Amino acid sequence: NAGVMQNPRHLVRRRGQEARLRCSPMKGHSHVYWYRQLPEEGLKFMVYLQKENIIDESGMPKERFSAEFPKEGPSILRIQQVVRGDSAAYFCASSPKGLTNSPLHFGNGTRLTVT
Amino acid sequence: AQTVTQSQPEMSVQEAETVTLSCTYDTSENNYYLFWYKQPPSRQMILVIRQEAYKQQNATENRFSVNFQKAAKSFSLKISDSQLGDTAMYFCAFTKGGGADGLTFGKGTHLIIQP
Repeated sequence: NAGVMQNPRHLVRRRGQEARLRCSPMKGHSHVYWYRQLPEEGLKFMVYLQKENIIDESGMPKERFSAEFPKEGPSILRIQQVVRGDSAAYFCASSPKGLTNSPLHFGNGTRLTVT
Repeated sequence: AQTVTQSQPEMSVQEAETVTLSCTYDTSENNYYLFWYKQPPSRQMILVIRQEAYKQQNATENRFSVNFQKAAKSFSLKISDSQLGDTAMYFCAFTKGGGADGLTFGKGTHLIIQP
């Protein structure tokens, strides 16, 4: 059973471009969480999705950021018109039943660098 | 809002020693869950141990154990017989019961095991 797969591992974008980060959860997992980690910081919750639904997006900036988890295919975190402050590691995690009933499995993250 | 505080940015011990990492949290919730995650240089987040607040018994996983003091809102991690492979960032995390929430992480403690 493959773990949580994130790609790309590293992504470089110029200011103003779009960044698309992909996350394939573990097989059988329908709950997906996205987190952002700035240098020297812990992970900050961004958004929680179940298949085709956003459950909690309270940690996601209102502008330029969006997330989806379609019925088929990976979850996508999309950042439009990137700025230098978006440079960070973005982690995806999945679970079969939600956070308090089953442990989270994390991917290896995507490191976004905005130049 | 919940907060998680890790007051030790870095710790260093000799191999085979016992080390304790501290974590305090602030919440008005009565039902919640606490976690310790390990992040080695590979960057992957690995669950070390999990504690339900309603359980008085401290969780244990092999060489890892916690000291959960609910009244003091303290959740320390003890690593016995430390090994070189334990070198990593350690993050304490909190989520409230109900599951419709992400994890709130502390800023982490960088643990170095010296040979």
